[in-house]
This record gives sequence, structure tokens and C-alpha cells, in this order.
Amino acid sequence: DAGITQSPRHKVTETGTPVTLRCHQTENHRYMYWYRQDPGHGLRLIHYSYGVKDTDKGEVSDGYSVSRSKTEDFLLTLESATSSQTSVYFCATRQGENQPQHFGDGTRLSIL
Amino acid sequence: AQSVTQLGSHVSVSEGALVLLRCNYSSSVPPYLFWYVQYPNQGLQLLLKYTSAATLVKGINGFEAEFKKSETSFHLTKPSAHMSDAAEYFCAVSESGAGNQFYFGTGTSLTVIP
Repeated sequence: DAGITQSPRHKVTETGTPVTLRCHQTENHRYMYWYRQDPGHGLRLIHYSYGVKDTDKGEVSDGYSVSRSKTEDFLLTLESATSSQTSVYFCATRQGENQPQHFGDGTRLSIL
Repeated sequence: AQSVTQLGSHVSVSEGALVLLRCNYSSSVPPYLFWYVQYPNQGLQLLLKYTSAATLVKGINGFEAEFKKSETSFHLTKPSAHMSDAAEYFCAVSESGAGNQFYFGTGTSLTVIP
């Protein structure tokens, strides 16, 4: 959807290791978002970006950082992964203020 | 901050029956409203959106939703359920400004009984 590619699609790692998830878009959308999806919680916003090098925190940002050095790429980093960060992570993009968000296919991350 | 409430985390309907999925939001200003569908192991796909034009919005796959300001509701309906409609459905709200954030409901899982 909207040319959004998330990588990797699946990852298993150990507690305490750093993890970086990548979101790449080809639509030149200004806004990009990272969510996590957990049973019973729906989608919760981690961080979002409203332009190159412009980012802000969402409701569950602790333990996560992001970077956006180019319009097309938005990286999510877990500096030291914990088991509570086991989840499915979705990237989304949005062209403008009254436009819908478009989602990638998700990354399933397991932290053992 | 906005809040979005989806009544009923699980809804079951018979094939051919009416589908009604409920969504209520909290907002003091006219919001932008969206419904998304998620099939297993996939991302969210846009079903329909309301952006202050007609209050009855038609979407893909025969779904429609009606914006009722007095009730702060945006319920999703489909006259006749099909087996392929079984999925998770999310209501979302966005306000102008406010960092362009979306606020999602916790989702409703729709089961269609043959």
C-alpha cells in the first residue's frame, strides 16, 4: 500500500541487543509513523515524523528512538531490547492533514 | 487527546445478515474519521473516510458509515455479510493540527458464520 516496505518482516533476537527496523516509502509522503500492535491494545503510536529530521514522541515512546534523514526512510531503533517490546510493528505514511494513513505489512519482532 | 471507543471487541453475524460495527469518538471540533480493515498477517487497509463532506460515506467492499455529530458516532455497516468480510476492523480519528496524529480504537473482530 502506497509503496511502503518494512524490513525485516520477521526478527527474533535476545534481550539487551539493539534492533533497528526500517520503513521505506516511494510516495514522497511528508508524514511517517511507527506503531506497535498488541492484543487488546489496538495500535499505539510510538513516534512520528512530520518531515526530514523532524520527529516527535507518541504515547509509548519509552525505549524507542527514531531517525529520518531522508523523506523515504524512517528508522525505528530499540537501543536495548526487552521482552515487553515483543510485538508487531507497523509503519504508516500520510500525504497531508486530512488524508488517510497508509500502512506497511508489519514486522513481527520477538525478543527472548 | 482524542479517544475512540469501539463497542464490542468481537461481533458475530450470519452470512447474509446486516453488519453493524460501532465507533464513538470524543472531539469538540469536527474530526476526520476513518475505518480500516485488517486481515490476518497483513497491514491495515483503508475502507472509507469522512472529511466533512457528505455524512453518509461509501467505501470499498459494500461498506458504508454515517457520521452523526450529535451522537459523536461513526458506525460502520454492510447490508449483507460475506464470508470474506471476516477480519479485524479499526475506527480512527484525526484532528487538524495536533501533530497530525491518528487515534485508533482497540478494534472489533468480525466473525461471519456460514
